[in-house]
Amino acid sequence: DAKTTQPNSMESNEEEPVHLPCNHSTISGTDYIHWYRQLPSQGPEYVIHGLTSNVNNRMASLAIAEDRKSSTLILHRATLRDAAVYYCILFSGGYNKLIFGAGTRLAVHP
Amino acid sequence: DAGVTQSPTHLIKTRGQQVTLRCSPKSGHDTVSWYQQALGQGPQFIFQYYEEEERQRGNFPDRFSGHQFPNYSSELNVNALLLGDSALYLCASSLVDRDTGELFFGEGSRLTVL
Repeated sequence: DAKTTQPNSMESNEEEPVHLPCNHSTISGTDYIHWYRQLPSQGPEYVIHGLTSNVNNRMASLAIAEDRKSSTLILHRATLRDAAVYYCILFSGGYNKLIFGAGTRLAVHP
Repeated sequence: DAGVTQSPTHLIKTRGQQVTLRCSPKSGHDTVSWYQQALGQGPQFIFQYYEEEERQRGNFPDRFSGHQFPNYSSELNVNALLLGDSALYLCASSLVDRDTGELFFGEGSRLTVL
């Protein structure tokens, strides 16, 4: 399975944008880039995914580099509720089996 | 629309005992996956059940077994508990015909082995 590399931790202030990076230099052409987040004392929840083009939804935006070797999850205005561990995962099909890394722990300060 | 529910939320066992964890998938979902999450780490895939059979399995010993019932709910059984089995056990559900990588997780069952 292709691997991703994320910073262990990041910090942000409330109401500021947050850019969470992910490197995936060995990504294959069929790999989708998925982001999940895990709030304290909860299970992971789906955030967004994309293949080549940038994607937006109500939770976040996903910016994918042209060579697809990196991507960035963008939270446009961080809130205290966005404090969580964010996981960047490559998925190319196969019974919805996800391989999680350690993720990035995001702290949001008032 | 009920999401994924797991029980119990917390439990304490001693080494050598056996434990059973339960999961009800999101309404309409037919596939259940189980993950183990040790403290400070990402979830690790244990196995997946569809049509009452184990469809794929991660790198976990045979002490870990499961079952899926006709109503799609599932159980995770762990025998001969070790201290290292202390973790959050997560259940995730999905649809077999939507292999999109979108899973719905429950809040987990936290197992402590003393």
